[in-house]
Amino acid sequence: SAVISQKPSRDICQRGTSLTIQCQVDSQVTMMFWYRQQPGQSLTLIATANQGSEATYESGFVIDKFPISRPNLTFSTLTVSNLSPEDSSIYLCSALDSEAFFGQGTRLTVV
Amino acid sequence: AQSVSQHNHHVILSEAASLELGCNYSYGGTVNLFWYVQYPGQHLQLLLKYFSGDPLVKGIKGFEAEFIKSKFSFNLRKPSVQWSDTAEYFCAVTHGTALIFGKGTTLSVSS
Repeated sequence: SAVISQKPSRDICQRGTSLTIQCQVDSQVTMMFWYRQQPGQSLTLIATANQGSEATYESGFVIDKFPISRPNLTFSTLTVSNLSPEDSSIYLCSALDSEAFFGQGTRLTVV
Repeated sequence: AQSVSQHNHHVILSEAASLELGCNYSYGGTVNLFWYVQYPGQHLQLLLKYFSGDPLVKGIKGFEAEFIKSKFSFNLRKPSVQWSDTAEYFCAVTHGTALIFGKGTTLSVSS
């Protein structure tokens, strides 16, 4: 089974700034995804991180706000740009191997 | 669009009580179904999954789930819960290669 390391585990950021979250998988995986889990809510798929091409975003999420990189089959980053308090959430990286695996998440608080 | 409904937001049980958490999905075609658990402070872990075959699937830690196609349901069950089962439980269904999650059910087990 794949092991996912995600960092930072938490951060407090000023509004208007950006935060970049890193996701490292211990093996090559075909698919990587980014999810958001807002307080008291379920996980919402932000985008599929495609290796070597632009990410595929779900409805309601745009590249300017959530730029994603995936330079290889084991690594991806998600940037949350121009932060506002509404972006306070847990952001989760996921990788698809024989099943979906998840990182521990990044708890972002915007002040 | 695919959606997942979990009917119970918060369930409180005593140890040794039986558990059943409801999950319904909207798409009528071929789907893969999952239950994930998130223990306090930990990452999401797969409890069990259904792809095809026997609609009664058994997972880890004594959990099982039954896929009823006619009811679009995939309810999670455990005959006797333990205090250590206190966690958040998420039902999920495939959406392409990613997953769509229900809102989650918080299970609190008192000893």
